[in-house]
Amino acid sequence: EMVLTQSPGTLYLSPGERATLSCRTSQSVDNNYLTWYQQKPGQAPRLLIYSVSSRATGIPARFSGSGSGTDFTLTISRLEPEDFAVYYCQHYDNSLYTFGQGTKLEIK
Amino acid sequence: QVTLRESGPALVRPRQTLTLTCTFSGFSLSAFGMCVSWIRQPPGKALEWLARIDWDDDKYYRTSLKTRLTISKDTSKNQVVLAMTNMDPLDTGTYYCALVRHPQNLIYPWGQGTLVTVSS
Repeated sequence: EMVLTQSPGTLYLSPGERATLSCRTSQSVDNNYLTWYQQKPGQAPRLLIYSVSSRATGIPARFSGSGSGTDFTLTISRLEPEDFAVYYCQHYDNSLYTFGQGTKLEIK
Repeated sequence: QVTLRESGPALVRPRQTLTLTCTFSGFSLSAFGMCVSWIRQPPGKALEWLARIDWDDDKYYRTSLKTRLTISKDTSKNQVVLAMTNMDPLDTGTYYCALVRHPQNLIYPWGQGTLVTVSS
């Protein structure tokens, strides 16, 4: 069964800085089904990135995804105040969905 | 516009069965490629996918919870129902339903979620 490990658990940065969030999978992702969600307190998750690097509709260009094999990255080029939230990576395979444990992005 | 809304009891006793309903609009669950999933989130913890039902009535469950979960649909009412038996305090959390489109398999959009507390 696939396991997704996100790091760091918490990332402290300031607005305007660059954020790099990591998602490592226990097995190689061969089907490109690697997705990123953003979740703010009291809200449902919001789709950010799908198929490793495609931005969902309405997602600003400062959000980008990359990676292959077992190592994937979500990058936020210049943090805006509204970007401070929890980010989850997620994988799909064989009719099963697996989420990482999340990275919390906090204001320094 | 696609919307989904979860409903059900806020409080469940241990060992009882939880029944949640997802009422949706903006799509038909009888249309090819349309699926609905349930996902839960314990307080302060990560998301956990639970189950999915497809347009053709195929059903899929989280392996570790397979014996406790049943998902069903009523296409005429635009509803999906999730039943979870033998509830435990560890099952406390927010339960979300969401649209999944095949073959992209993206969980989007999500309902607002409903908080379920398991306590005696």
